Amino acid sequence: EVQLVESGGGLIQPGGSLRLSCAASGFTVSSNYMNWVRQAPGKGLEWVSLLHSDGRTNYADSVKGRFTISRDNPKNTLYLQMNSLRAEDTAVYYCAREGMDVWGQGTTVTVSS
Amino acid sequence: QSVLTQPPSASATPGQRVTISCSGSSSNIGSNTVNWYQQLPGTAPKLLIYSFTQRPSGVPDRFSGSKSGTSASLAISGLQSEDEADYYCASWDDRLNGWVFGGGTKLTVL
Repeated sequence: EVQLVESGGGLIQPGGSLRLSCAASGFTVSSNYMNWVRQAPGKGLEWVSLLHSDGRTNYADSVKGRFTISRDNPKNTLYLQMNSLRAEDTAVYYCAREGMDVWGQGTTVTVSS
Repeated sequence: QSVLTQPPSASATPGQRVTISCSGSSSNIGSNTVNWYQQLPGTAPKLLIYSFTQRPSGVPDRFSGSKSGTSASLAISGLQSEDEADYYCASWDDRLNGWVFGGGTKLTVL
């Protein structure tokens, strides 16, 4: 069964850092391009970042220079390193496979003092 | 402000048909496919339609998609109470080099 499981969310102060993980099963992360998408409380979906199978990355302007997407091939896991966090980064973060066909259950990040 | 434009709300009674629109531009819907998602409260989005008109296995044929120019539409026929949810369209944007979403449509089954 194809599955994605996110972890690593929590409460963090503004300016802090957090690393999210997305463990995949049933398919190989490195053979697909992978996405992070977020949803602020009561708001719509916002694409955050993409990691191509060849290692190229894309970022939304709102997170460029602060967030870094990466993967660990042996662990079949996708990551999102989030630095210089702001209140507006508060959201549920989802990882999603290539064509946005498979999503994880999400992990909640709250940026607040 | 979302790149793709959806009506914020829609409503219909059980058994009726409802259509949700998604308007974009030449850099997204005009040149790339559209996905539609259903999101129930507190859950992750679920893929309903991909490539404008295709249904993943397990999605009832009451759900259908279409495209016209730089717009797409999701139709739900034989509306049921369990269809009450938020619906989002999504497409790749060549200019932004990323996925773009509609703002979401909250469907109420009266």
